[in-house]
Amino acid sequence: DIQMTQSPSSLSASVGDRVTITCRASQSISDYLDWYQQKPGKAPKLLIYAASSLQSGVPSRFSGSGSGTDFTLTISSLQPEDFATYYCQHNYNTPWTFGQGTKVEIK
Amino acid sequence: QITLKESGPALVKPTQTLTLTCSFSGFSLNTSGVGVAWIRQPPGKALEWLTLIYWDEDKRYSPSLKSRLTITKDTSKNQVVLTMTNMDPVDTATYYCARRRTTSGRWAFDIWGQGTMVTVSS
Repeated sequence: DIQMTQSPSSLSASVGDRVTITCRASQSISDYLDWYQQKPGKAPKLLIYAASSLQSGVPSRFSGSGSGTDFTLTISSLQPEDFATYYCQHNYNTPWTFGQGTKVEIK
Repeated sequence: QITLKESGPALVKPTQTLTLTCSFSGFSLNTSGVGVAWIRQPPGKALEWLTLIYWDEDKRYSPSLKSRLTITKDTSKNQVVLTMTNMDPVDTATYYCARRRTTSGRWAFDIWGQGTMVTVSS
């Protein structure tokens, strides 16, 4: 199985900050990488697919980059509604696996 | 509007079989390029993909749970059913169903149900 490792596990940031979350795959996955946002008690929501494609309806302050084994999710200007946990997930082959999550908290 | 909703028992005993139903609307599992998956999340932990069924009946299972899982679909009812045998307390989790769809040739879980919490306890 391909292991997905996110860093940091949590971070504290202020509204307006630029936030970057990293995801590393245990082997090359090309750009078969998605990002999800999950708020407490809610289902995950797709933000980014294919490493850098913005899902319809997702604000443009979210962006993704990377290929191979190293990927990043960037929030250009953190908004109050962005405080949540973010997960990466690979689509390279089955089993599709998720990272352990990065919790973005209010500073 | 596309929606998915999970239903099933909130509490099961160890060794019992869990049956969950995902009822969906706004799309068809007869349509090429569509699948429905089950994904779970133990309290306070990360997401774990379990299984998926495609429009053409192709099925995929997590190797670690394959012996315990069965996924089926009823296209006429717009439902997908997950069966998991020999339940254990470690299977306590919120179980989600999610649509898997291809966009511009790339697959993703684009729409999720609200999830249903299942507790395994005697």
